[in-house]
Amino acid sequence: RKEVEQDPGPFNVPEGATVAFNCTYSNSASQSFFWYRQDCRKEPKLLMSVYSSGNEDGRFTAQLNRASQYISLLIRDSKLSDSATYLCVVNGGGSSNTGKLIFGQGTTLQVKP
Amino acid sequence: NAGVTQTPKFQVLKTGQSMTLQCAQDMNHEYMSWYRQDPGMGLRLIHYSVGAGITDQGEVPNGYNVSRSTTEDFPLRLLSAAPSQTSVYFCASSLTRSGGYTFGSGTRLTVV
Repeated sequence: RKEVEQDPGPFNVPEGATVAFNCTYSNSASQSFFWYRQDCRKEPKLLMSVYSSGNEDGRFTAQLNRASQYISLLIRDSKLSDSATYLCVVNGGGSSNTGKLIFGQGTTLQVKP
Repeated sequence: NAGVTQTPKFQVLKTGQSMTLQCAQDMNHEYMSWYRQDPGMGLRLIHYSVGAGITDQGEVPNGYNVSRSTTEDFPLRLLSAAPSQTSVYFCASSLTRSGGYTFGSGTRLTVV
């Protein structure tokens, strides 16, 4: 089983739609969680950190459920510019936590006009 | 403030050649990592460092060496290039152990 699992998609949605991505992680000792965005042939860029209380940044809302070990990302009012791959990322965690990030394979979003 | 700088951006090697991928950051980050990204595989950790003089292996370390003599630099050495090392390599750094990482723009390596 992969440490971080995501549905690769692609998710094809019209402009203005709301879309949600989920991801699950296997290490219950993981301590920090992130969503990254990666455009084609570019480096990953930090979109937002994810907290247990949930957090929002404009049209983006992230949620963490530690009991079920899953993370979600909600995008409201999708824009063409949201088309990208979204990476679920977990800090390795554990007693020897050294800041190693574990990446999911990514979920591809294509927003259509 | 340049962030994380990787050089070269593109490289073609012949099987058996060695080379060093350079990574430098000017943010005084302690934590640095090297990843490779292959289609369908996501980003996989090669080596990482928690500070100058301290390095350790990640998920796929075979065929690669690293050193961390300064806080700023974290070069990745390919000892004897193989076609299986054809990939996109990303260097990343973070100020804290649990923080998000900033990535360099990547090195696209082809081994023929």
